[in-house]
Amino acid sequence: QVQLQESGPGLVKPSETLSLTCTVSGGSIGSYYWGWIRQPPGKGLEWIGYVSYSGRTNYNPSLKSRVTISVDTSKNHFSLKLSSVTAADTAIYYCARDLNDWAHDYWGQGTLVTVSS
Amino acid sequence: QSALTQPPSASGSPGQSVTISCTGTSSDVGGYNYVSWYQQHPGKAPKLMIYEVTQRPSGVPDRFSGSKSGNTASLTVSGLQAEDEADYYCFSYAGSDNGVFGTGTKVTVL
Repeated sequence: QVQLQESGPGLVKPSETLSLTCTVSGGSIGSYYWGWIRQPPGKGLEWIGYVSYSGRTNYNPSLKSRVTISVDTSKNHFSLKLSSVTAADTAIYYCARDLNDWAHDYWGQGTLVTVSS
Repeated sequence: QSALTQPPSASGSPGQSVTISCTGTSSDVGGYNYVSWYQQHPGKAPKLMIYEVTQRPSGVPDRFSGSKSGNTASLTVSGLQAEDEADYYCFSYAGSDNGVFGTGTKVTVL
């Protein structure tokens, strides 16, 4: 059974960089795409972007200038960096596996990141 | 890209059916058969219910079905049960290697 677990700081200061890692267990990171999705408290889901097992990436155009997603196959994990954060970036951040057809079948439990000084 | 449009709420009595719409454009929902649906209970991660418009992952009850007509995709829940009360989101490929979620629908079982 594939499991995903997000990890990283729960509090980030404004203008700094948010960094999260998603560790995949119970399966290999190879052959799939891996995505990040976020959800501001009480609001809807927003697709952030994806990384493939080979390192190919693409990002939501509204976040593209601030987002970097990378993969480390040797550690079976992938990461999210979001720079110059503001309070509007406060959200639950989820990592998920993409079935290579724009559907996410396995999700992490989510981690709340609050942007505040 | 703009979020896909869903009704804020939908409801039905146990045993009845409820259908949720997800309206986009020819650049997303209407242009590709890559629409998926997610169920989210409070405090939980979303769960994949439908992918590629009509396909059900293993373990998802056949009470859940998906369809698409033009720029609008739909999720139908037949034989409503108490545990179906949740938020539901659609997601579509939007071209240029991007994806977009719907605004979300809260389903209430009366």
